[in-house]
Parts: sequence; C-alpha cells; structure tokens
Amino acid sequence: NAGVMQNPRHLVRRRGQEARLRCSPMKGHSHVYWYRQLPEEGLKFMVYLQKENIIDESGMPKERFSAEFPKEGPSILRIQQVVRGDSAAYFCASSPVRVTGGEEQFFGPGTRLTVL
Amino acid sequence: QKEVEQDPGPLSVPEGAIVSLNCTYSNSAFQYFMWYRQYSRKGPELLMYTYSSGNKEDGRFTAQVDKSSKYISLFIRDSQPSDSATYLCAMAGLEMSSASKIIFGSGTRLSIRP
Repeated sequence: NAGVMQNPRHLVRRRGQEARLRCSPMKGHSHVYWYRQLPEEGLKFMVYLQKENIIDESGMPKERFSAEFPKEGPSILRIQQVVRGDSAAYFCASSPVRVTGGEEQFFGPGTRLTVL
Repeated sequence: QKEVEQDPGPLSVPEGAIVSLNCTYSNSAFQYFMWYRQYSRKGPELLMYTYSSGNKEDGRFTAQVDKSSKYISLFIRDSQPSDSATYLCAMAGLEMSSASKIIFGSGTRLSIRP
C-alpha cells in the first residue's frame, strides 16, 4: 500500500507565476489535509477536504490560494501570483476517518516551493 | 505568546544516552497530546499519542503529560543514530472538531552521535 504521494517534490517559480501542488492520498483515504511549514516554525493547518468538498478552510489565506479534491484524481493546492513569502514546504496528509482527536494522519513527503 | 512552545535545539547527545524533549503550552483546554518524528526532507509521522494526563510507554519511547504545569515530555532511552530527526509536539482540545484545531510546536532537532 503506497503512502501519501506528493508531486512535484521541488518546485521553483518566479514571482507572479502560478504553483500547482498535487497530493494523492493513501488508498482508501477520503480525507485530505494541507499544511504549510515555514523554516523554524511548526506545521500550520491550511485546509481540510473530503472528496469534492471543502470541509474547513480556516487556515487558508483569503486570496491567491485555493484547493480542490475532485471525485477522480489527486487533491490540488493552487497558489496564484506567487510571492517570495509563499516559499515553504507544503505537506499533504490523509486519513481514513475524520481527524477529531488523536486519530492518525499520514503525511506525504512534501513539496518544497521556492519563489525567486 | 505562542500557544505551544518548543525549544528548536539543535540537541546533540551521544549514542545510548537518554533524551528528553519538551513542550510547554498555554491553553488549559488541550486534552490530546501527540509527538511526531520528522526525518530530513520527509513528512512527519506520528510517534506517540496521549489523551489527558499521565505516561505512555512504547518500546524505547515514553510520553509524559503534566497538565498542572502545562508541560509535556518525550523520553527516548538507549538513543540510536537512527533517532536523529526533528521531533514535533502537537496538541488539541476536547472540543476539536477538525484537524484545524491541532496546534504544532516548531520542532526540536535531535542529533545522536555514534
């Protein structure tokens, strides 16, 4: 059973370009979470999706950021008109059930976005 | 003040030593306490999970929660070079309805010297 897959692993964009980050959850997992990790900072929750639905986007910046998890295919985190402050590691996690306490989320290896 | 404080390290100890990693927190509503291990260039993986107070042991790892002091610890006995990683604490309250309520510490970098 393959783990959570993320691609690309490294992404370089110039200011103003768009970044698309993809996440394929573990087989049988329908709950997907996106986190951002800045250097010397902890993981910060961005958005929680279930197939075709955004459940909680309270951690998502209001502008330029969007996420989707279509019926078929991977979950996509999209950042439009990237700025240098968007440079970070973006992690996706998945779970078979909704995380409400100590249920385990399984993390992917992350995508490291660098904005020049 | 951050809700969860964690010393970033780095912490370097010789192989075989006992390691103590700690976090303090300010929100007395936290009930779920977790430790994640993150190897370089990898995603975090759940190591230990404790609900409310007390100790939990799993092999060489012991998680301890002191709610009166708002202090949690992870002890690693007989440390190995393969334990070298960043350790993140994480916690959430009883009314947690979503992963958005999990607060992560910034992580402590640990290095075990052979």
